[in-house]
Amino acid sequence: LAKTTQPISMDSYEGQEVNITCSHNNIATNDYITWYQQFPSQGPRFIIQGYKTKVTNEVASLFIPADRKSSTLSLPRVSLSDTAVYYCLVGGGPSTGFQKLVFGTGTRLLVSP
Amino acid sequence: NAGVTQTPKFRVLKTGQSMTLLCAQDMNHEYMYWYRQDPGMGLRLIHYSVGEGTTAKGEVPDGYNVSRLKKQNFLLGLESAAPSQTSVYFCASRDNEKLFFGSGTQLSVL
Repeated sequence: LAKTTQPISMDSYEGQEVNITCSHNNIATNDYITWYQQFPSQGPRFIIQGYKTKVTNEVASLFIPADRKSSTLSLPRVSLSDTAVYYCLVGGGPSTGFQKLVFGTGTRLLVSP
Repeated sequence: NAGVTQTPKFRVLKTGQSMTLLCAQDMNHEYMYWYRQDPGMGLRLIHYSVGEGTTAKGEVPDGYNVSRLKKQNFLLGLESAAPSQTSVYFCASRDNEKLFFGSGTQLSVL
């Protein structure tokens, strides 16, 4: 299983761009990289998913270098409501049987006024 | 669509008691998962299922059993609850891209 490493916590201010990097040195060829957001007392919620290069949706961008050993979640112009824990999840390919999805420890983002 | 529904939302058990947590999904997903989350910690995979009638162990399966008799339901059982099983339990189902989580069950074992 591709183990992930993320910073434990990050601080930011409203309106700033936040970049959270996840390391996954032993990612398998068919593994995808997925990011989730979790608010207190709620289940995680899907943010974005990618395989390589760059993916962008209405809430975030995901940057994946050519070697795929890391990925960076970019949140543009954060607001107070972006305060949450962010998880990087690697898997979903045949190396993990397509099914076994293991979360890392996550990054606790605190956005201040 | 309700998505993923977990029952009960809260439960208090005494050590040694048994109980079953129910997860139901209405999205016709094949894959379903049970995670536990201790205070201030990340999610740990207990068991998962790749389809009706199948189950498999995750990272922390000891002390838990599961069953997937129907595609839409995934049950998590504690045969003899221990204080170390005090946690929030999340169920999830998955389509081809992402996981969909329930709202969780807060379980306290005294």
